[in-house]
Amino acid sequence: SYVLTQPPSVSVAPGKTARITCGGNNIGSKSVHWYQQKPGQAPVLVIYYDSDRPSGIPERFSGSNSGNTATLTISRVEAGDEADYYCQVWDSSGDHVVFGGGTKLTVL
Amino acid sequence: EVQLVESGGGLVQPGRSLRLSCAASGFTFDDYAMHWVRQAPGKGLEWVSGISWNSGNMGYADSVKGRFTISRDNAKNSLYLQMSSLRTEDTALYYCAKGRTNLYDAFDFWGQGTMVTVSS
Repeated sequence: SYVLTQPPSVSVAPGKTARITCGGNNIGSKSVHWYQQKPGQAPVLVIYYDSDRPSGIPERFSGSNSGNTATLTISRVEAGDEADYYCQVWDSSGDHVVFGGGTKLTVL
Repeated sequence: EVQLVESGGGLVQPGRSLRLSCAASGFTFDDYAMHWVRQAPGKGLEWVSGISWNSGNMGYADSVKGRFTISRDNAKNSLYLQMSSLRTEDTALYYCAKGRTNLYDAFDFWGQGTMVTVSS
């Protein structure tokens, strides 16, 4: 089955740029979605179809997808961005939804 | 305002059954795919199952295939998950999630979850 690989943790200073990667075999041929989950809360969709932002999500959040890596980029990071981030795709070969293992973003 | 409210969780013994429900409001329920996603304590998200708007297409994670059944009642704006032959590894917070459009799209709204604990 299709596997998505994320780094367990990423640390960034306030005001800097955080990049969270999601690796998968030829992931560039799939549509990638990203979720933010803060402690004790349900996940929130922050990016869909690689780079589209739902209404209400700040422009600081952006996404890209090419080759074997998709990337969630958070510009001008704020303390409130500290959360777990998950990537997700639809695996058409198995008719499954697949989540990455998640990345804990720490704002220093 | 979109609202998804899960119910039906609780403590259950291994091998027993449980039925989860998700009451939806604030959108035209029968226009969208719906999903169940679970999260074991301290772990990541795991997709469990999804169903298309008209129940014509369903999918299951390998870990639950043959034991769990997803269904929906569009007249009642409700989503269900019938869980049988429960195992300790099914212990998790179970979220109901709305598909942004079809079965293959992102999940744009989530409920707060209902906790299922499988233990003797």
